[in-house]
Amino acid sequence: AQSVTQLDSQVPVFEEAPVELRCNYSSSVSVYLFWYVQYPNQGLQLLLKYLSGSTLVESINGFEAEFNKSQTSFHLRKPSVHISDTAEYFCAVRTQGGSEKLVFGKGTKLTVNP
Amino acid sequence: EAGVAQSPRYKIIEKRQSVAFWCNPISGHATLYWYQQILGQGPKLLIQFQNNGVVDDSQLPKDRFSAERLKGVDSTLKIQPAKLEDSAVYLCASRLGGNEQFFGPGTRLTVL
Repeated sequence: AQSVTQLDSQVPVFEEAPVELRCNYSSSVSVYLFWYVQYPNQGLQLLLKYLSGSTLVESINGFEAEFNKSQTSFHLRKPSVHISDTAEYFCAVRTQGGSEKLVFGKGTKLTVNP
Repeated sequence: EAGVAQSPRYKIIEKRQSVAFWCNPISGHATLYWYQQILGQGPKLLIQFQNNGVVDDSQLPKDRFSAERLKGVDSTLKIQPAKLEDSAVYLCASRLGGNEQFFGPGTRLTVL
């Protein structure tokens, strides 16, 4: 079975500061990795995903995440955050082949303060 | 393109009552999921449909939860009877192919 650990439940930062949201996973087989964002009172939106190829993946709004197989991590980073980035961020894994089930972490609430 | 629609957005019931949630996936999406998101936790898959067939319902509490997708389009999730611990946001998602699931806004259920 797969599991996802998001080490920080809340991350407060000031606007224009860098941020890293940590995600570690556990799986006995190869996985696909995802970051979803959930704005208040909205559903989850896919932010970025790692399927194969380059281990560094980027989103259109400046976030990036790097797949590190040896450390079983997929940390999310942004060099300079905006107030509008305030949201909850979920890391998720899915096995390659077999069940299509997404397994989510508990989420990290990012609060960007002026 | 319209997104995944869910209704109602909010529901408050008393324990032991019944409740039903409705989901209309993105047009043409064959795969439909129902997730339960308890406050402070990530979403947990309850059931997955492929067209009108169940692919995975291993985490669905079948003594009180049921779901159907009769015509392979809309889906209904029912809880009967509800317990206090069922208070959560119920998310519906759909997928056409590939790896991206598209989520609806969710139904927030409060059981008193």
